[in-house]
Amino acid sequence: GENVEQHPSTLSVQEGDSAVIKCTYSDSASNYFPWYKQELGKGPQLIIDIRSNVGEKKDQRIAVTLNKTAKHFSLHITETQPEDSAVYFCAASKAGANSKLTFGKGITLSVRP
Amino acid sequence: KAGVTQTPRYLIKTRGQQVTLSCSPISGHRSVSWYQQTPGQGLQFLFEYFSETQRNKGNFPGRFSGRQFSNSRSEMNVSTLELGDSALYLCASSFKQGSEKLFFGSGTQLSVL
Repeated sequence: GENVEQHPSTLSVQEGDSAVIKCTYSDSASNYFPWYKQELGKGPQLIIDIRSNVGEKKDQRIAVTLNKTAKHFSLHITETQPEDSAVYFCAASKAGANSKLTFGKGITLSVRP
Repeated sequence: KAGVTQTPRYLIKTRGQQVTLSCSPISGHRSVSWYQQTPGQGLQFLFEYFSETQRNKGNFPGRFSGRQFSNSRSEMNVSTLELGDSALYLCASSFKQGSEKLFFGSGTQLSVL
């Protein structure tokens, strides 16, 4: 089955700097890659997703890039703010009616004021 | 629009007991998925229900079961609880069947003593 790995496991950045979180996946048939943000005491919230027919997608300060050949995708957050501090999960699936998400173990991002 | 609602928020049970968790999806969403979240294993897929039928299942023992009602509300049941079942159980709803655009609730924190 699919295996998704995230690295690093923790990341600390200064407010205003950029943060990059990387994930790798094992199943070349996976074609849907979402990113979720989980704040303390809450469930994961979808912040951006990308399909395999797109190399990059942006939404304000957040962007995701996908390299199908290397089987890795990355989340880029620019101009980080303290409210960006959370656990970020990447996931992968074969999009479709019977698909299920395989999540990475999560990365704790801390933004220092 | 109200989000995904999970009840109860916290549960404490003892080994051997059974437990039922409830999930009310976003209005109009017909798919409900359940995930188990633990510090060691991360987020793991339990099962998905769509139109009152289980459509997909993860690698969990038969002690974990669920059902979905005609109003799309879902319940998850765990019988003969074990210490290792202690986890945050998350419910996610979506408009379509599958893994895309999942909206998560805040979860039920189950502690098995």
